[in-house]
Amino acid sequence: NAGVTQTPKFQVLKTGQSMTLQCAQDMNHEYMSWYRQDPGMGLRLIHYSVGAGITDQGEVPNGYNVSRSTTEDFPLRLLSAAPSQTSVYFCASTAETGGLRSPLHFGNGTRLTVT
Amino acid sequence: EDQVTQSPEALRLQEGESSSLNCSYTVSGLRGLFWYRQDPGKGPEFLFTLYSAGEEKEKERLKATLTKKESFLHITAPKPEDSATYLCAVQPRGWKTYDKVIFGPGTSLSVIP
Repeated sequence: NAGVTQTPKFQVLKTGQSMTLQCAQDMNHEYMSWYRQDPGMGLRLIHYSVGAGITDQGEVPNGYNVSRSTTEDFPLRLLSAAPSQTSVYFCASTAETGGLRSPLHFGNGTRLTVT
Repeated sequence: EDQVTQSPEALRLQEGESSSLNCSYTVSGLRGLFWYRQDPGKGPEFLFTLYSAGEEKEKERLKATLTKKESFLHITAPKPEDSATYLCAVQPRGWKTYDKVIFGPGTSLSVIP
């Protein structure tokens, strides 16, 4: 049972480069989301999806794109990397789209450095 | 503005030395409060959900309690394997989906043998 799998674990980009962070879950969860974690700050929501074909913006969406073509996958695209996007990125999923009875399951993160 | 703060920022305990971590929140009503544990280089792992003031949840050496303005995570006789960052998150009332959950910055706990 793999849970939430994120790749790559580490990535270094130059300013202006683009890349895609991959996230896959094998729990058939409808809800998936992307967070970034910066020192001294709580996890901040970037984008989320309540099912295949449905995505929406979170608190800090600028500079990022998402799509959800399948239930299992939810990639995060950085369009033109900036040093301010240096962070640790977490993907999370949960079984329900409404209510709080099912907790969020997190992947192990992607540590991104933009130089 | 809805906000979640945690104190202390870091805590260093001797093995067996009990203590508490604090999570204070200012939201327009509370739907639920979560505690997560995060090990270095890993994603957060769910511990507890609390829904109403006076509620308590326990798991091994951890006990979470909730009041109207804060939550405490009590650690009894900690062991080195309890070393981790503990995150608190709050869901304001009126919202049912996880996109409205607000995370605190965490408390980094180190338990020294």
